[in-house]
Formats: sequence, structure tokens, C-alpha cells
Amino acid sequence: DTAVSQTPKYLVTQMGNDKSIKCEQNLGHDTMYWYKQDSKKFLKIMFSYNNKELIINETVPNRFSPKSPDKAHLNLHINSLELGDSAVYFCASSRGGMGSDTQYFGPGTRLTVL
Amino acid sequence: AQTVTQSQPEMSVQEAETVTLSCTYDTSESDYYLFWYKQPPSRQMILVIRQEAYKQQNATENRFSVNFQKAAKSFSLKISDSQLGDAAMYFCASRYAGNMLTFGGGTRLMVKP
Repeated sequence: DTAVSQTPKYLVTQMGNDKSIKCEQNLGHDTMYWYKQDSKKFLKIMFSYNNKELIINETVPNRFSPKSPDKAHLNLHINSLELGDSAVYFCASSRGGMGSDTQYFGPGTRLTVL
Repeated sequence: AQTVTQSQPEMSVQEAETVTLSCTYDTSESDYYLFWYKQPPSRQMILVIRQEAYKQQNATENRFSVNFQKAAKSFSLKISDSQLGDAAMYFCASRYAGNMLTFGGGTRLMVKP
């Protein structure tokens, strides 16, 4: 059983397009996250949601809009894609937002913008 | 703000031997948590081990153990009896209450048969 799943795993698109990445967790967790891993493997938090409410937005351009229809899903929509958006995007979830709550990651989505 | 530093971009170890990956962090918080994640070529981020800062005892998970030096803000990962499947990127991360994981830059571990 997949705990945190993301679709698609690979996404290749042209500059200027709009695309979405979906994330679902079946762990019953309340908190979900999006991370970006750049070409140098550096991982950085983008957003965090707790029970469908935005908690953290780490100075991400407003072309990126997360949407949480319910606490098991956190989708990422990106408008007007740019070359610099090429990266691997990871969704994660944890039971809560406390420091002690381990985060479990999805398999990642490799986004390539041409 | 927290920072996490992994000073070894790459390490290699002979199969069956022991290797230690270094990590230092900087935080002004008193209550925080430290993690090591493994990222194999499949890209999946897998939790290896975690340590609560308030615990003096070093965490251990089978062949993986940590050397947690709170005063020095050091959190190294020791892998014993290295196996080919241990080859991966390893990320050290920290987190305090109400905040997100902050990752180090990663260490690529190669295991030689």
C-alpha cells in the first residue's frame, strides 16, 4: 500500500504552460507539505497545510498555488511555467505539525520545463 | 532560523565496512529533532533514523546509529557493515516545533563491492 503517492512521476512541458501535480496520503495525517529539490539536490520547503489550512508559504512565487480539497490531498498548481521551475517536487505528510512528527515523503515528480 | 551543513559532498566505503557521515546544525531552539533521510536512485526519500534533542542516548536502527553531540551541534550517521543497497544520497535534517524540515546539502555515498 502506497502511503504518500504523487502523480505524475514525470512531467515535461513547455515554458508558459500551466500544470498540476497531485498528492494523496492514506496515512490519516493532518499535515501535508510540498518540497522542491533543485538540480544540485538541495531540498527546500515550499508549503505546508494542516487540515486544509495553509500554515507555511516559504516565499514561493504566486505562480505556485497549492490546493487542499481535503486533508488527504494537497495538489500543486503552477502557472506560466519557467525554465527555473525544472526540479523534482516532493509531497510529504506528517501526523501533525510538531517537530516530533516524522514526515513521510512521496516518490517525487520530476518536472522538466523546455 | 535553522541551518544544516553536510561538509562531505561524497563518501565511499568498501562493502562490509563502516562509514560515518557528518552533519552539523545551528539552532537557537532548545526543543528540536534531527533526522537522516536516504534518497536512492529511485528518488524516494526514506527515513533512516531520528533523534530527539532532549534525549542523551544516541538513536540506533539496526546497522544505522548516530553520534549526537548536542553541545557541538553535531549529528553524524554511522553505517556499519555497509551493503551495496546503502548507496544513495543521505540528507541530514532538523526540525523544531511548528516549523518545517531544514535539510543539509546531502552526501552521496558510494559502496564498493
